[in-house]
Amino acid sequence: ETGVTQTPRHLVMGMTNKKSLKCEQHLGHNAMYWYKQSAKKPLELMFVYNFKEQTENNSVPSRFSPECPNSSHLFLHLHTLQPEDSALYLCASSHGTSAVRNTGELFFGEGSRLTVL
Amino acid sequence: SQQGEEDPQALSIQEGENATMNCSYKTSINNLQWYRQNSGRGLVHLILIRSNEREKHSGRLRVTLDTSKKSSSLLITASRAADTASYFCATDARDYKLSFGAGTTVTVRA
Repeated sequence: ETGVTQTPRHLVMGMTNKKSLKCEQHLGHNAMYWYKQSAKKPLELMFVYNFKEQTENNSVPSRFSPECPNSSHLFLHLHTLQPEDSALYLCASSHGTSAVRNTGELFFGEGSRLTVL
Repeated sequence: SQQGEEDPQALSIQEGENATMNCSYKTSINNLQWYRQNSGRGLVHLILIRSNEREKHSGRLRVTLDTSKKSSSLLITASRAADTASYFCATDARDYKLSFGAGTTVTVRA
């Protein structure tokens, strides 16, 4: 139990569906992240939020839309996805984006396994 | 862009043996971290080594860092079946953003 909870754990959707992934952290952290993990590839940083403000959009296609209503919750809204978007989507949190340099640690959720048909 | 790169991609060892994996990176770093991921699960932080440190221990884990060679190694001693997982190095060369490699998959045979 890392203190970061992701739902759903598994999601199957068609290319025309709209769905959302949810992440909640109970650690009092101020920064939250979305990563994409595809088989045999390095983790790809997608979005970073620090104190609810988006500080990073790593050239992610607009069919992925993040939302961070407060420092404890992070959503990833999915719309008109492609089969190549099938992957494990990982949410993580840290004390704050500057803290990653000083203390280092990211706390990850268990991930949401997305399959796009 | 990818900063850390782990080697080997996969490693299979007998229970009780030591497992060593390496990480190479391209640019100067503030610190380097190692994470473990069990199949289908999230990543768990194992250890952090700062750029001014050369070696660090945590239980059965030993991490070294050679900034002149831009490389790090993770040694797991007296491996157990529960050590079967993928291991990732992560560096923070660019601001606060951690950059991960593709990982080393370790299988510990009983």
